Amino acid sequence: DAKTTQPNSMESNEEEPVHLPCNHSTISGTDYIHWYRQLPSQGPEYVIHGLTSNVNNRMASLAIAEDRKSSTLILHRATLRDAAVYYCILRGGAGANSKLTFGKGITLSVRP
Amino acid sequence: NAGVTQTPKFQVLKTGQSMTLQCAQDMNHNSMYWYRQDPGMGLRLIYYSASEGTTDKGEVPNGYNVSRLNKREFSLRLESAAPSQTSVYFCASSERQGFGNSPLHFGNGTRLTVT
Repeated sequence: DAKTTQPNSMESNEEEPVHLPCNHSTISGTDYIHWYRQLPSQGPEYVIHGLTSNVNNRMASLAIAEDRKSSTLILHRATLRDAAVYYCILRGGAGANSKLTFGKGITLSVRP
Repeated sequence: NAGVTQTPKFQVLKTGQSMTLQCAQDMNHNSMYWYRQDPGMGLRLIYYSASEGTTDKGEVPNGYNVSRLNKREFSLRLESAAPSQTSVYFCASSERQGFGNSPLHFGNGTRLTVT
């Protein structure tokens, strides 16, 4: 099964950039890399996804390594509201429910 | 636009009781999912429905049944609740399962306690 590994936690200062890493060394050619975040007492929220090229949206940027075995979610200016658990998962492949697995994610703390 | 709606938000059951968790989405998505999340853990997939009329087991299906009532609705049933099923349950939907370019959209969860 193609799985992802992330550090358990990271800390950041408010208004500074944050780089959240994810390793997925067994990724297959059809897998998209997805990031979600979960605020306390809420359901996970979609952040961004990509296949090969770097992606930007209003929430974050996704940098994907050339060999696709790792990726980094970039929050350009962390705010206190960005304190959450961030999950990196792989999606793709017909009928493969293993591609729907969420690990424990990275718990991001933001210091004022 | 409500997205994914789950009911109830909270529920307390006694061991052996049954209940059905309801989920509905208004995004015309084909695929729907049920996850559970225990304290300090990630989300574990219970069942999913790739399309209307189909359901498949996920990682932790024991003790649960599901029904894809129509394209909008996907329910999760606990026939005989056990304390080990105390958890937060999340429903999600996506345009299409097996299509990686299709984000998941989650509801806000049902917090279930079994005593």
